[in-house]
Amino acid sequence: KNEVEQSPQNLTAQEGEFITINCSYSVGISALHWLQQHPGGGIVSLFMLSSGKKKHGRLIATINIQEKHSSLHITASHPRDSAVYICAVTGNTGNQFYFGTGTSLTVIP
Amino acid sequence: KAGVTQTPRYLIKTRGQQVTLSCSPISGHRSVSWYQQTPGQGLQFLFEYFSETQRNKGNFPGRFSGRQFSNSRSEMNVSTLELGDSALYLCASSMSGTGSEQFFGPGTRLTVL
Repeated sequence: KNEVEQSPQNLTAQEGEFITINCSYSVGISALHWLQQHPGGGIVSLFMLSSGKKKHGRLIATINIQEKHSSLHITASHPRDSAVYICAVTGNTGNQFYFGTGTSLTVIP
Repeated sequence: KAGVTQTPRYLIKTRGQQVTLSCSPISGHRSVSWYQQTPGQGLQFLFEYFSETQRNKGNFPGRFSGRQFSNSRSEMNVSTLELGDSALYLCASSMSGTGSEQFFGPGTRLTVL
């Protein structure tokens, strides 16, 4: 049983396209995290949110607590956005960390 | 501010051996969490330490253990290594735990032969 489900698993886009990655979770949470992992393994935290919407540059993250759903949007995608995007949640009982399986994004010039 | 560092970066061991991995958090961060990443299982939470105490633990056997020192540096130990322990082991530090922003280290890639 996966506490966090992501879709799509793989995504190929043309440079400039608007991209959406979806995340659904089944546990009660205190926070939801969007992470980015480039080839070679390094992980960077993009967003941490518990309600509403956050924006950093071309990236936007939203969360709907009632529907247990979050989306990560990338506007005007660029080849350097090519990476694996991982949704993770902090459970609100025990503070465990649950990860989605990731979305592999390739942006073609 | 220096980032999270992990040593060693690469490690090759044989079945039955034990291994110790080290993680130095960002200065001022009191929480260190450990994660295992494999192609088959993806990322999984191992445990979290805060102020030298283990606060949370994932579903891993007792062969996986850790500790945290007074300077917040943390070590993770795996005893009686199995082939399936081959993975990228990542640590992350944060101000207050898994409910706050995580800053990840580069990882230690462990290969068990």
